[in-house]
Amino acid sequence: DADVTQTPRNRITKTGKRIMLECSQTKGHDRMYWYRQDPGLGLRLIYYSFDVKDINKGEISDGYSVSRQAQAKFSLSLESAIPNQTALYFCATSASVGTGARETQYFGPGTRLLVL
Amino acid sequence: QKEVEQDPGPLSVPEGAIVSLNCTYSNSAFQYFMWYRQYSRKGPELLMYTYSSGNKEDGRFTAQVDKSSKYISLFIRDSQPSDSATYLCAMSGNTDKLIFGTGTRLQVFP
Repeated sequence: DADVTQTPRNRITKTGKRIMLECSQTKGHDRMYWYRQDPGLGLRLIYYSFDVKDINKGEISDGYSVSRQAQAKFSLSLESAIPNQTALYFCATSASVGTGARETQYFGPGTRLLVL
Repeated sequence: QKEVEQDPGPLSVPEGAIVSLNCTYSNSAFQYFMWYRQYSRKGPELLMYTYSSGNKEDGRFTAQVDKSSKYISLFIRDSQPSDSATYLCAMSGNTDKLIFGTGTRLQVFP
C-alpha cells in the first residue's frame, strides 16, 4: 500500500462549490504539507502542519483552509471554488528528527482538480 | 526574481547520453539541496539529497552543489528511456520549508 494517499484522485466541480481534498499517511511522520502544481509555476506551498495543533499558512493560502484531524490525516478545503484553483494538488509528509529528515518530503500521487 | 530558477526544457537526448540538469538560486541561507523526479501523473519522489557544498553520487546519478556560485546540478550518466520524467530541484535553509524549481522535462529516446 502507498505510504501517502490522496482522495479523490480526480475531481470536477463548479464555481462556488465547496470541495475537500483528503490526505492520509502511514509513514508515522508528524509534518504534513499541501502544495499545488501549475505549469510553469512549479510546486507552491498552500498550508503546512508540524503537528496536530500547529497549522501554518504557506505561500498561497488565500481561498483555502485546512484541518489536521489526526497525526495521519490532513485535509484541504476550497470554501468556494473558482476556476483559477484548477491545478494538481499534492500532499506531502516529512519527519521532524533525523539527518535530513525535515527536508525529505514524501509526496502522495496527487489530485487533479478542474473547476468549471 | 524567483528564489530558484530552473530551465523548463524540454530536454531531449538519445539513450546513453550524459544529461546535465541545473538550478540557480539567490538565497545564500539555503544549505539543503534536493532533486526530485516526477513521472507523468505521479507525485514527486526524492532522488538525491545533499547538505551544503560538494558532490554526491548514487549509481548513475551525481548531484553537485556550488554554494559560492549558488548553482546546483544533477548529472545522469548512461541515460535510459526510463529516466524520462520531470526533474525538480528543491532547497531549504532554516525555515523547514522547501522551495522548488519549476522543473525540467527530460525525454530520453531509444
